[in-house]
Amino acid sequence: DARVTQTPRHKVTEMGQEVTMRCQPILGHNTVFWYRQTMMQGLELLAYFRNRAPLDDSGMPKDRFSAEMPDATLATLKIQPSEPRDSAVYFCASGLAWPNEQFFGPGTRLTVL
Amino acid sequence: DAKTTQPNSMESNEEEPVHLPCNHSTISGTDYIHWYRQLPSQGPEYVIHGLTSNVNNRMASLAIAEDRKSSTLILHRATLRDAAVYYCILSTDKLIFGTGTRLQVFP
Repeated sequence: DARVTQTPRHKVTEMGQEVTMRCQPILGHNTVFWYRQTMMQGLELLAYFRNRAPLDDSGMPKDRFSAEMPDATLATLKIQPSEPRDSAVYFCASGLAWPNEQFFGPGTRLTVL
Repeated sequence: DAKTTQPNSMESNEEEPVHLPCNHSTISGTDYIHWYRQLPSQGPEYVIHGLTSNVNNRMASLAIAEDRKSSTLILHRATLRDAAVYYCILSTDKLIFGTGTRLQVFP
């Protein structure tokens, strides 16, 4: 049963620290998406990749957030430095060519104190 | 991206059909209509999608109006497990989530 995996599942850190979240997309999927969910803003698209190339990162605060795909089996989302307002659940999703369904991971719950 | 309008919440009894409406009067010709749902404490889950014709799968049916300005997600027999937030999304290449409809299912 192929699934998107995300690590860590929970992360508590202090303001100013670097946070790295990892995502393993489903094998063979060529698109990867990063979302953030908060009570206030709901689900927001941060960035997405196709064939490892970034296509759109307009939803991401550029000064502190960065997203990469070092290889086809790993996507990373980094926050440096982290701030309390970054506290949220971060979801990764993967899929095949549009408009096929996206498969979401279980999320990383980030708390920045 | 075109916008969608959904009721904030709906209620249903178990084993009854549920019709979840979505208005999208500014839909463009290339916009697909996607439905996802999010169960409590989980990531969103794909339900169904379509372009112009009605669609059926094992989870639900999608009825699309002839002018494509509205659509309805149909759950044929609601179960307690169907209690979730249902999102209707239009897009050509990416998903932009709105606030969705929170469905409550009563035994």
